[in-house]
Amino acid sequence: RKEVEQDPGPFNVPEGATVAFNCTYSNSASQSFFWYRQDCRKEPKLLMSVYSSGNEDGRFTAQLNRASQYISLLIRDSKLSDSATYLCVVPDSSYKLIFGSGTRLLVRP
Amino acid sequence: GAVVSQHPSRVICKSGTSVKIECRSLDFQATTMFWYRQFPKQSLMLMATSNEGSKATYEQGVEKDKFLINHASLTLSTLTVTSAHPEDSSFYICSARRSGLLNTEAFFGQGTRLTVV
Repeated sequence: RKEVEQDPGPFNVPEGATVAFNCTYSNSASQSFFWYRQDCRKEPKLLMSVYSSGNEDGRFTAQLNRASQYISLLIRDSKLSDSATYLCVVPDSSYKLIFGSGTRLLVRP
Repeated sequence: GAVVSQHPSRVICKSGTSVKIECRSLDFQATTMFWYRQFPKQSLMLMATSNEGSKATYEQGVEKDKFLINHASLTLSTLTVTSAHPEDSSFYICSARRSGLLNTEAFFGQGTRLTVV
């Protein structure tokens, strides 16, 4: 099993739709989790941090299920500008951040 | 917020030459920095972990003699691609996390797009 696994997509949704991505991780000792957004040919940028059961920021909600070892990202009322690749990131027991392969989102008019 | 600065953002070099990329944490100390490489339409691949004052730790399959890493201070790590070849053309990104805080996010440099001709 990969350390961090994501559905690569692409998810192709209309503007205004709600879309959810899941990410599974293998290290049950992980305490923190992150969702990053990466636009084409740019560096990843932090979207949300998750330290407990979940986090919400405007249209974005992240939820953590420790028992099943997955984190989800929910985007409500999708905008065209949400089109990007979303990376699930989980630290390992050292300082390293383990990246998922990313889920590509395309929001169409 | 914390900022990581990476320089240069773009470089074109001739095959056989060496290229140095700098990564600086601007407002925090980072005993550990990370170097990634990303090919088009692929995910980030960790190349090595740069440790201040000691040797870098390389991921499997990454040639340490080709990708030289120096982390001379708490705010600066450099990656030198030696004897670059066209297959080394890629997007190189560094990241850093605040020292002593295991559960904090990483901040990324802007990336360096290397083209070897």
